[in-house]
Amino acid sequence: GAGVSQSPSNKVTEKGKDVELRCDPISGHTALYWYRQSLGQGLEFLIYFQGNSAPDKSGLPSDRFSAERTGGSVSTLTIQRTQQEDSAVYLCASNPSRGERPNEQFFGPGTRLTVL
Amino acid sequence: AQSVTQLDSHVSVSEGTPVLLRCNYSSSYSPSLFWYVQHPNKGLQLLLKYTSAATLVKGINGFEAEFKKSETSFHLTKPSAHMSDAAEYFCVVSYFGNEKLTFGTGTRLTIIP
Repeated sequence: GAGVSQSPSNKVTEKGKDVELRCDPISGHTALYWYRQSLGQGLEFLIYFQGNSAPDKSGLPSDRFSAERTGGSVSTLTIQRTQQEDSAVYLCASNPSRGERPNEQFFGPGTRLTVL
Repeated sequence: AQSVTQLDSHVSVSEGTPVLLRCNYSSSYSPSLFWYVQHPNKGLQLLLKYTSAATLVKGINGFEAEFKKSETSFHLTKPSAHMSDAAEYFCVVSYFGNEKLTFGTGTRLTIIP
């Protein structure tokens, strides 16, 4: 079946511009996560959506970062006024969140963001 | 607080010899533990997961991991390395009630022909 998809696969932008990254989770998965993978910081959690609950935004590095999830499915991560340190691979993951343990997450291929 | 430590940033083994990638975890509660693999320019793929049903966990491609509570370890092993195993490996922890994954810093596995 279809896995998690992300678009674009690559994005090059100029410092100060806004960017939007998209994630389509696996159909029926109620939980959705964003992570960032960068050379200096490794893999770090950004934000978590579970159904209609308020998202866990505890990993967002600054107020330039925001995310939304429309209709409990597609999610968009927005970075405003991009900086060079925002350059990274942004990964999206989803899981069915049926209360099972362990909560295996299924990852998309990522969006590689380069800020010039 | 949950954390995970991968003791080796880089491991090199010869093809056909055993692989050992070390991981120690720290968690206030019973952890969920995973190993993920990332091949160059590819996404993260789940190798195996600890379900608490058995301490020895078998994964894909011949990999295994043993959960040792007394040592707070979850080391990844494979009896015989293959060239296709060359990749970055991540030990990952989470616990029920806080669903985010916490990743180790990764171990880059190199296979020598």
